[in-house]
Parts: sequence; structure tokens; C-alpha cells
Amino acid sequence: EVQLVESGGGLVKPGGSLRLSCAASQFSLGKYAVNWVRQAPGKGLEWVASISTNGFYIQYGDSVKGRFTISRDNSVSLQMNSLRVEDTAVYFCARERSTVTIAEAFDLWGQGTMVTVSS
Amino acid sequence: SYVLTQPPSVSVAPGKTARITCGEDNIAAKSVHWYQQKAGRAPVLVVYDDSDRPSVIPERFSGSNSGNTATLTISRVEAGDEADYYCQVWDSETDLWVFGGGTKLTVL
Repeated sequence: EVQLVESGGGLVKPGGSLRLSCAASQFSLGKYAVNWVRQAPGKGLEWVASISTNGFYIQYGDSVKGRFTISRDNSVSLQMNSLRVEDTAVYFCARERSTVTIAEAFDLWGQGTMVTVSS
Repeated sequence: SYVLTQPPSVSVAPGKTARITCGEDNIAAKSVHWYQQKAGRAPVLVVYDDSDRPSVIPERFSGSNSGNTATLTISRVEAGDEADYYCQVWDSETDLWVFGGGTKLTVL
């Protein structure tokens, strides 16, 4: 089955770090731009970060800029530093639908991984 | 920055038509995408580029975009359509993705 699988979530104290990973099953992740999107408990979707196919074009949402780093090799990772209570959320990775153009809709999402920041 | 405004909730009877709006100044100049998210599940793309539909999405789902409002229309609503719906655009001025606040669709 074509799918994305996130891993690496867990409980961390404020100020701590965590690294999330997004892996692909039954397709080549390297052909697609990938995004991270999060959803705090009971809240809406918030875009976090984006990385292009070659890894050269990277963007971050304002709330995580300077603290989170997105990167890719065979999978796509999200290094989260200086974590805050307000970073508590389910983190989804999502694939953009085109292998050619950028800024396309997200046509495949993972099931999400929970990150809890609490003392 | 770009802010997409959605109504918090929409209610509709089974078999009727639901319309969920997404508003911003001159949103017609953007490509709007729509996602359905059922409770406890990941979002699913239901409409992209204003009005295109992934092959697995029923024809009952359609989209339009004009002036300051984009609209997701669900015809012949079924109980299984009950979910949260989010609009999304790419803000090319800031190179950032923006989601609307989401609309909870309730099937009466």
C-alpha cells in the first residue's frame, strides 16, 4: 500500500529536543516535495515546514522558524529544538501531489505522530 | 499575512447540499485546496486547484473560486460526510502555506 509513516513522537520536557521521521512505503519519496503539518489537541491544521525534492528549497512557519529544521535523505526528518508547551500536537507528514512543480496540494498524508511537551 | 476565513460550523440534512466557504481578499487569484478530516484520522484531499477532484473522491464533491470566496460544495450529503473541512492556499508573497481555521460539517 502506498503510504507515509511517521515516527519519533513522544513526551519531552520544555526546552528539550525531538526528531521526527517520515518514511515512504511503495513509492519513491525522493520524487516529491514533503511537508510537516501539525494539529494541537482540539485545534485546526497548522503548516510547519516544507522541503523540495532536492532539499535546496526549504520553508518554515513563523511559529517554528529558528527552532525546527527539516531535512531529507531517504526519508524526511524534522529536528525540533527548544520545544515549548505550545508545540504539543499531532505531527503529520504530507506529500505534494506533483513531481514536477512546487506548491501543490497534499495528496498523501501519514497517520501522524504525537508530540507532547510537558514538565 | 494571508488569513483564510471559514465558518466554524455548517449543518445540513441528509440528501441536501452543503456549501463551505473560504474567504480572503482576491482569493480567486490563488489555487485553493480542500481537505476532509474525520475524527481521529489524517486529512484527505477532496478538491485541489479550486475545482479538480482526485480520482477516488466522489463527484458529489466540487469546488469553485471567485472574487473573495472559494466554496466547497457537497451534493446529496451522506452521514459519512460528517467531518472537519479545511481550505488551503500557497501564499506566493511569503512562500508559506496557509490553512483556514476549519469548518465542522454536521449531518442532521
